[in-house]
Amino acid sequence: DVKVTQSSRYLVKRTGEKVFLECVQDMDHENMFWYRQDPGLGLRLIYFSYDVKMKEKGDIPEGYSVSREKKERFSLILESASTNQTSMYLCASSLPWTGYNQPQHFGDGTRLSIL
Amino acid sequence: DQQVKQNSPSLSVQEGRISILNCDYTNSMFDYFLWYKKYPAEGPTFLISISSIKDKNEDGRFTVFLNKSAKHLSLHIVPSQPGDSAVYFCAAQYGSSNTGKLIFGQGTTLQVKP
Repeated sequence: DVKVTQSSRYLVKRTGEKVFLECVQDMDHENMFWYRQDPGLGLRLIYFSYDVKMKEKGDIPEGYSVSREKKERFSLILESASTNQTSMYLCASSLPWTGYNQPQHFGDGTRLSIL
Repeated sequence: DQQVKQNSPSLSVQEGRISILNCDYTNSMFDYFLWYKKYPAEGPTFLISISSIKDKNEDGRFTVFLNKSAKHLSLHIVPSQPGDSAVYFCAAQYGSSNTGKLIFGQGTTLQVKP
């Protein structure tokens, strides 16, 4: 069974702080993703990575960066946290596209509050 | 521009009846469509998918229908159970992209009343 683990369930930080959200998967998946979930907006893709040290911007990358130094770990970084980054953050992983649908497997999320 | 839309924020049905969740999309290049279910304080879990070359896919109580001409898909749950109460997300995927990137709708909250 695929396990995607996010390091914190709840996190409270202050405006201007540098914030790190960590995600680890145990299924040797090439693809990893970071989303944020906000009421009425669904899940929006921030960044994704299809290999170690490879990354691509998603739909809302502003204010964020990512790091993927090892295949199993994908980190989301808020360079200077702002109150509009208060949200639920979800990490996911999947196998690469092989001509058949490869579902993404999600962690349980980190509820981040920026004060 | 919202490429995948779920226009009903919420739906309430009686236990044992059918639940129908709807989803519309704008891009005819999508290759796969997926439904995810999300309980509070948990991550979304994959429920069922359908290829764009099919019009129906069934898995137990869950059936997804795809109408490509209308750019519309729906998830049918029969019979509905109280444990089905959750937020349901529709998502679309480009098959030509190696990354398997998904585009999600806004979600529909389903409440199944005992």
